[in-house]
Amino acid sequence: DAGVTQSPTHLIKTRGQQVTLRCSPKSGHDTVSWYQQALGQGPQFIFQYYEEEERQRGNFPDRFSGHQFPNYSSELNVNALLLGDSALYLCASSRTGFPYGTQYFGPGTRLTVL
Amino acid sequence: AQSVTQPDIHITVSEGASLELRCNYSYGATPYLFWYVQSPGQGLQLLLKYFSGDTLVQGIKGFEAEFKRSQSSFNLRKPSVHWSDAAEYFCAVGEGSQGNLIFGKGTKLSVKP
Repeated sequence: DAGVTQSPTHLIKTRGQQVTLRCSPKSGHDTVSWYQQALGQGPQFIFQYYEEEERQRGNFPDRFSGHQFPNYSSELNVNALLLGDSALYLCASSRTGFPYGTQYFGPGTRLTVL
Repeated sequence: AQSVTQPDIHITVSEGASLELRCNYSYGATPYLFWYVQSPGQGLQLLLKYFSGDTLVQGIKGFEAEFKRSQSSFNLRKPSVHWSDAAEYFCAVGEGSQGNLIFGKGTKLSVKP
């Protein structure tokens, strides 16, 4: 049973560019959440997708957007990259209504903005 | 606002010694509590979780945690630490029934031979 997978593993971009990160949830999971983990910090919630809609959103600007596909996979898009967007981006999947959506994390995508 | 505090940034223990990592939370309702572990350059692995019921919960790799409502704490313990336990440990509280996780800043564990 494959766990949560993310691609790419690493990414280097320059300021002002746009980036797309991808996530495939664990089998049987229908909810995907995205987190940003800056160096030396705990992960911070960006947003959560369920039934192809954004269900919850953390305190992140509109430059951060996402999408969920019918197969439950998800993308995170970041526009107009800033140096401060350099971080490990973690995707977590869960199953809604069971009994609490315990989240299982992927290995992350390391984004470096130069 | 909900928050999680892990007072210890870095802890060093000797292999075979016991371990306790502290976690305090601030949350209005009954909390859903989690401990995750992160090895260098890796994602987060779930160690254990508390939803309700028995306040002492068992997890993987020999870890356990005790929920103490009166102290707003959810400390992680292990009776005998192994060198492979060296990693960063994060405590988290879940918001709502399907909500996002609020993480502490983590405690880095080093293990001396």
